[in-house]
Amino acid sequence: AQTVTQSQPEMSVQEAETVTLSCTYDTSESDYYLFWYKQPPSRQMILVIRQEAYKQQNATENRFSVNFQKAAKSFSLKISDSQLGDAAMYFCAYRRDNDMRFGAGTRLTVKP
Amino acid sequence: GAVVSQHPSRVICKSGTSVKIECRSLDFQATTMFWYRQFPKKSLMLMATSNEGSKATYEQGVEKDKFLINHASLTLSTLTVTSAHPEDSSFYICSASPGTVERAFFGQGTRLTVV
Repeated sequence: AQTVTQSQPEMSVQEAETVTLSCTYDTSESDYYLFWYKQPPSRQMILVIRQEAYKQQNATENRFSVNFQKAAKSFSLKISDSQLGDAAMYFCAYRRDNDMRFGAGTRLTVKP
Repeated sequence: GAVVSQHPSRVICKSGTSVKIECRSLDFQATTMFWYRQFPKKSLMLMATSNEGSKATYEQGVEKDKFLINHASLTLSTLTVTSAHPEDSSFYICSASPGTVERAFFGQGTRLTVV
């Protein structure tokens, strides 16, 4: 089974500042997908950003971008201009076919 | 965006009874559905993966006879917790995907309390 590791249980950022959440994964596959999901207190999982492993270009969605390092099996999420609404649990996820797994999560706090 | 509806959002049942949780994809055909269990302040633990018309593939340590998964159609998968016990109390989340390479869409989750 593939494993996804998020080494930061909690992170804090000042409003309008930038924060980076770390994620590493273990796989022997070359084609797969990586995701960052946000889970607010409502517990609804919300897709933040998606990266195809075969693409070298890092995915970007407005204030959210990733640093995908395939050889290092690293997939970090950068949140720019942090907003109070960004406060949530963030989960890194790996998917290949019918296998989709999540990291332990990082709780992000945004300070006003 | 695509919508996945999970029902019920909350359920309380007595020990020894069974409870069924439904997961429906409302505007797409879900080739694959995932069922997760989430403990408080913990991550999502994959319980099983189901493909329409096939038997579910369970993760190691998940009791197949206790957590019955049926993926009878391309828009509906059900998780039945049989002979529920208090330790089965948890938050269960389903997700559905239109393909093997597509993003997965999540249901709202079901909070199960067994008393």
